[in-house]
Amino acid sequence: GAVVSQHPSWVICKSGTSVKIECRSLDFQATTMFWYRQFPKQSLMLMATSNEGSKATYEQGVEKDKFLINHASLTLSTLTVTSAHPEDSSFYICSAVTGGENTIYFGEGSWLTVV
Amino acid sequence: GENVEQHPSTLSVQEGDSAVIKCTYSDSASNYFPWYKQELGKGPQLIIDIRSNVGEKKDQRIAVTLNKTAKHFSLHITETQPEDSAVYFCAASRGDEKLTFGTGTRLTIIP
Repeated sequence: GAVVSQHPSWVICKSGTSVKIECRSLDFQATTMFWYRQFPKQSLMLMATSNEGSKATYEQGVEKDKFLINHASLTLSTLTVTSAHPEDSSFYICSAVTGGENTIYFGEGSWLTVV
Repeated sequence: GENVEQHPSTLSVQEGDSAVIKCTYSDSASNYFPWYKQELGKGPQLIIDIRSNVGEKKDQRIAVTLNKTAKHFSLHITETQPEDSAVYFCAASRGDEKLTFGTGTRLTIIP
């Protein structure tokens, strides 16, 4: 299947700092990518839809000024967690939509720990 | 909005036996139903999907069935192996590519 890569796989940052997570579609172009958050033993919760060349669409309850999303090219979307706090610690996962049949593939996820 | 329910939440199966996970959805406009396997600490891996124009799809030991009238779909894994142990998520989408996930099923294959 198609390959979606996330970087970094895990990151530890200090409270109050910002951290950026990258999501790349390696073998296809994705006009749409999605960002999810997953807490331990829970399902995936959609945070936002990232659209190439336009502003992201955020789900209800997700602070757009805290979770900055940039989709500057057809193969890259970035999620920046600004002024991170311990409660932002979570597993963040992106997905990308292939062309044609619009199949959705996920990245490997990024573990964020805020200390 | 869409609501997807998934059962059971945990499932233990003897190696070699079959496993069945069931999901129901609420939005009759949903037309895409993927299944994902998630191993500990990793992102979800697409294992099979089905669209509303078919009732069943099979890929080796994995099959998915869809009943649009009843709004439910199921994952069937035959001849289970230890490496099938993972958390499985069903999802539904109405074609806008936004997935609504079920709550997950932790499948354990007993050797």
